[in-house]
Amino acid sequence: EAQVTQNPRYLITVTGKKLTVTCSQNMNHEYMSWYRQDPGLGLRQIYYSMNVEVTDKGDVPEGYKVSRKEKRNFPLILESPSPNQTSLYFCASRGGIPYEQYFGPGTRLTVT
Amino acid sequence: SQELEQSPQSLIVQEGKNLTINCTSSKTLYGLYWYKQKYGEGLIFLMMLQKGGEEKSHEKITAKLDEKKQQSSLHITASQPSHAGIYLCGADAPISNFGNEKLTFGTGTRLTIIP
Repeated sequence: EAQVTQNPRYLITVTGKKLTVTCSQNMNHEYMSWYRQDPGLGLRQIYYSMNVEVTDKGDVPEGYKVSRKEKRNFPLILESPSPNQTSLYFCASRGGIPYEQYFGPGTRLTVT
Repeated sequence: SQELEQSPQSLIVQEGKNLTINCTSSKTLYGLYWYKQKYGEGLIFLMMLQKGGEEKSHEKITAKLDEKKQQSSLHITASQPSHAGIYLCGADAPISNFGNEKLTFGTGTRLTIIP
């Protein structure tokens, strides 16, 4: 089954404690991206990757890092989380035509 | 950067009634996507529109793209409780040499269906 998986689904952490949210896709897609969703602000892109070792900033990259060492994986790293990074995070991957973007189930992060 | 405005922001509709959600872009639309999200869950792809005047249907949901107006509308006929959720439109950034890297989303329309 074609899917994007994220782990963990729920995470409560404290300010400053480094964390990684994993993302994996099994569709051999070249394009992957991370979004955060906040009430009233909708979905905003954090980072995206066009292919292995190619990443670029989205609209809200501050405080986040990503890496793309393998095609299937695109982890999101928060080196020093802060409360304003409390949000619902989605990973997505996208193939060729018709450019449908598949989303993971989401990771709800709370930073206290 | 491209901005997408959805209207209305929320909608309460009696079961069986028809409804329309609009998505208006601040720039030319090169590709317009509609997604549905159950509260707090992932996004489900509904359909993609690429050409002006294009219209697509998925079960009782129909979407149209008006390129000149830089707008898309999503119409649900005879709404059912299963239609409840958040509907989001997404649009591609202008095509570059590398293809469509960036997908911008609207803020969403929250649809509630009452019996």
